Amino acid sequence: GESVGLHLPTLSVQEGDNSIINCAYSNSASDYFIWYKQESGKGPQFIIDIRSNMDKRQGQRVTVLLNKTVKHLSLQIAATQPGDSAVYFCAETSGTYKYIFGTGTRLKVLA
Amino acid sequence: DTEVTQTPKHLVMGMTNKKSLKCEQHMGHRAMYWYKQKAKKPPELMFVYSYEKLSINESVPSRFSPECPNSSLLNLHLHALQPEDSALYLCASSRGKEAFFGQGTRLTVV
Repeated sequence: GESVGLHLPTLSVQEGDNSIINCAYSNSASDYFIWYKQESGKGPQFIIDIRSNMDKRQGQRVTVLLNKTVKHLSLQIAATQPGDSAVYFCAETSGTYKYIFGTGTRLKVLA
Repeated sequence: DTEVTQTPKHLVMGMTNKKSLKCEQHMGHRAMYWYKQKAKKPPELMFVYSYEKLSINESVPSRFSPECPNSSLLNLHLHALQPEDSALYLCASSRGKEAFFGQGTRLTVV
């Protein structure tokens, strides 16, 4: 079946370093992707999105890269801070209201 | 207002109880969603309402009954749940493709 998955379930980074969280997707019809941050006991928080007609999008301290050739998505966080510690999910949709979530990566920021 | 508000935040119910989860948004979004999330797992889609009509039901058991009274409100009626239904229930809304989530209701079935 179609799925969205992550290569690394847990990522530990030193405070101040850059973080890269990866996601693989298998539905070639997906045309919109979102990264969510979920802190313990809270709902997913929208971070950044990208449409399939783009390969890069930047926000404040975050960048999403999309490689449609290999169906790969990544989230880069610059100068990682303790407040960035959370579980990060990628999600994809092909425009049918069905957002399929990846398995999630836990980001731990080390002081 | 960019919030999706869910009530209650926590709910403990017995297997014979009937309870309801509520969700509200005032962003003018016409699509609203219910997701279920088990610990250390991604959210799983349950239902989607589009323009107040049920458009997606992901083969959810009938003990979960969604309702969309108007464009701002979404309910999830619960009846005869099982302990394995204990989870975080998330509501979301969207206008285009950008979906916003509420903080969830932590449900425990005893």
